[in-house]
Amino acid sequence: SQTIHQWPATLVQPVGSPLSLECTVEGTSNPNLYWYRQAAGRGLQLLFYSVGIGQISSEVPQNLSASRPQDRQFILSSKKLLLSDSGFYLCASTMSSYNSPLHFGNGTRLTVT
Amino acid sequence: ILNVEQSPQSLHVQEGDSTNFTCSFPSSNFYALHWYRWETAKSPEALFVMTLNGDEKKKGRISATLNTKEGYSYLYIKGSQPEDSATYLCAFKRGGSEKLVFGKGMKLTVNP
Repeated sequence: SQTIHQWPATLVQPVGSPLSLECTVEGTSNPNLYWYRQAAGRGLQLLFYSVGIGQISSEVPQNLSASRPQDRQFILSSKKLLLSDSGFYLCASTMSSYNSPLHFGNGTRLTVT
Repeated sequence: ILNVEQSPQSLHVQEGDSTNFTCSFPSSNFYALHWYRWETAKSPEALFVMTLNGDEKKKGRISATLNTKEGYSYLYIKGSQPEDSATYLCAFKRGGSEKLVFGKGMKLTVNP
C-alpha cells in the first residue's frame, strides 16, 4: 500500500518569506499527486495536481507553485508568503485507475505571521 | 467550476442514533464519487469509492448509496458511536479529468 511522507509537520513563517513543502510517496509508481489546502473554517481546496513528472495543473491562481522533479516527489513552493496562505496543507496520492482512493500524508500546519 | 455540496454542515447526535448525510455533485459526465472520514489529528481516510449508478457500499455500520443521474450520494451511519465523531468528506471526479474536488465536509459529533 502507499505511504505518503510529508514534511514539515508545522511551520511558522513571516509574511514575504519563501516556502517549500515536500511530499514523497512510497509503495507505488507513476501515481497521480495532489496538493490540497484547508483554510480555517473551510473545506479541502485543490491547489495543484500532477499526472506525471514535470506535469502540473494549477487550480487556483495565487502565489503558490508546484513541481514534480521525480516520479514520487511533489513540492509546493512560494517565493513570498501572504497572510492568506496560512492553513493546513495536505499532499495526496492515488493510482491512476478509476476506482483508486486518495492516500493522504499527515499534513503541514502553516501559519504566516 | 465544479460544485460539490454537502449537507448538513454539522450534526450533533446521541450515541445510538442513526445519521444520514447528503453529497450533491454535477450529474453530467460522472466518473467517480469518493467518501472519506477525517478524524481530528489524523489524515483523511477513504471509506468508499463509488462508480456505478445505483451502487450501494457498506463497511460495518457505515453505508453509502449513489445516484449519478440526479447527482447525489447518501452516507448512512447506523447506531452512531462516539468513535464515529469525525468530519465526513465527499469528493467528485469528472470523466476525462484526474481532478478530485471535495465538498466542505460534514462534522459529526456523537455524544455518549
